Amino acid sequence: QVQLQQSGPELVKPGALVKISCKASGYTFTSYDINWVKQRPGQGLEWIGWIYPGDGSTKYNEKFKGKATLTADKSSSTAYMQLSSLTSENSAVYFCARSGERRDFDYWGQGTTLTVSS
Amino acid sequence: QIVLTQSPAIMSASLGERVTMTCTASSSVSSSYLHWYQQKPGSSPKLWIYSTSNLASGVPARFSGSGSGTSYSLTISSMEAEDAATYYCHQYHRSPPTFGAGTKLELK
Repeated sequence: QVQLQQSGPELVKPGALVKISCKASGYTFTSYDINWVKQRPGQGLEWIGWIYPGDGSTKYNEKFKGKATLTADKSSSTAYMQLSSLTSENSAVYFCARSGERRDFDYWGQGTTLTVSS
Repeated sequence: QIVLTQSPAIMSASLGERVTMTCTASSSVSSSYLHWYQQKPGSSPKLWIYSTSNLASGVPARFSGSGSGTSYSLTISSMEAEDAATYYCHQYHRSPPTFGAGTKLELK
């Protein structure tokens, strides 16, 4: 069965960077986009960008250019999102989600809670 | 970017009641790329309805979706306790993909 397993909660200081992982299993990792989505407490969903592990191509929401960097390791079927120059505004739950031809997000990771605090 | 406006923001329904929530897009969206998700507190969103009207695996038949152009809706024919959740519409007709702010459905 398809699973996306994300790394654990992070507590980081302002100005630092963090790298969150999303390990895929149960399907061909290189055949589907992996998207990243941000959700602040009590708020809605915001798309950050996608990576296509097949060739490493990426697309970002303009709002997150310079903030987020998406990478993927085909050998371990793991996608990564690095967030830099962190502020309290980056405190949120971050999800990875798979998408295919229908462009729906059919499988989601369990979410990674990021807290930025001194 | 395409803005999705969901209404109402919060609603409550009694067991057995028919429920309808709407999603209005700021510009026309292909029905193939309009989707709905269910999210319960502390959990990740789940794909609920894809391409406007197709139920995702395991979704009860009391749910249905319809719409075209800029106007879409999700309907529950008979409210059950397990349906209490927040529902988000999502468009990927044009990048960036966007989500509505959600409709929180509570059990009355």
